[in-house]
Amino acid sequence: GENVEQHPSTLSVQEGDSAVIKCTYSDSASNYFPWYKQELGKRPQLIIDIRSNVGEKKDQRIAVTLNKTAKHFSLHITETQPEDSAVYFCAASKAGNMLTFGGGTRLMVKP
Amino acid sequence: KAGVTQTPRYLIKTRGQQVTLSCSPISGHRSVSWYQQTPGQGLQFLFEYFSETQRNKGNFPGRFSGRQFSNSRSEMNVSTLELGDSALYLCASRPQQGNGELFFGEGSRLTVL
Repeated sequence: GENVEQHPSTLSVQEGDSAVIKCTYSDSASNYFPWYKQELGKRPQLIIDIRSNVGEKKDQRIAVTLNKTAKHFSLHITETQPEDSAVYFCAASKAGNMLTFGGGTRLMVKP
Repeated sequence: KAGVTQTPRYLIKTRGQQVTLSCSPISGHRSVSWYQQTPGQGLQFLFEYFSETQRNKGNFPGRFSGRQFSNSRSEMNVSTLELGDSALYLCASRPQQGNGELFFGEGSRLTVL
């Protein structure tokens, strides 16, 4: 089955800096790659996703890039703010299958 | 539109007991999936139900089971509880099977003593 690895497990940045979280996946048939944000004590929520026919997608301060050849994708957050502090999960799936999540990255944005 | 609702939110059980957790998906959503969240293992997929049929299953022992009713509501059951079953159990729904956004509930936090 699919295996998703996520790095780093913790990331601390100063407010205003950029943050990058990287994930690799094992199944070359995977074609859907979402990112979820989970604030402390709350439910995971989708923040951005990308499909395998697209190399990059942006939404305001967040962007995701996908390299199908290398089987890795990354989340980029620019101009980080304290409210960006949360656990971020990457995931991968192929049609008909459920999401396989990475282990999560705890992002701490220091004011 | 109401979100995904899970009950109970918190529960404490002892080893050997069984537990049933309930999930009501967003209205119109027919796919319901369950995930176990633990600090060390992240989000682990348990199973997915669509149209009252289990469509996908994760790598969990047979003590973990579930079902879906005709109104798309779902329950999961864990029998013969072990200490390692202590976790946050998250339910998620989406309109159809296949790729797409999962809408998570707040979760049911199970503590096994």
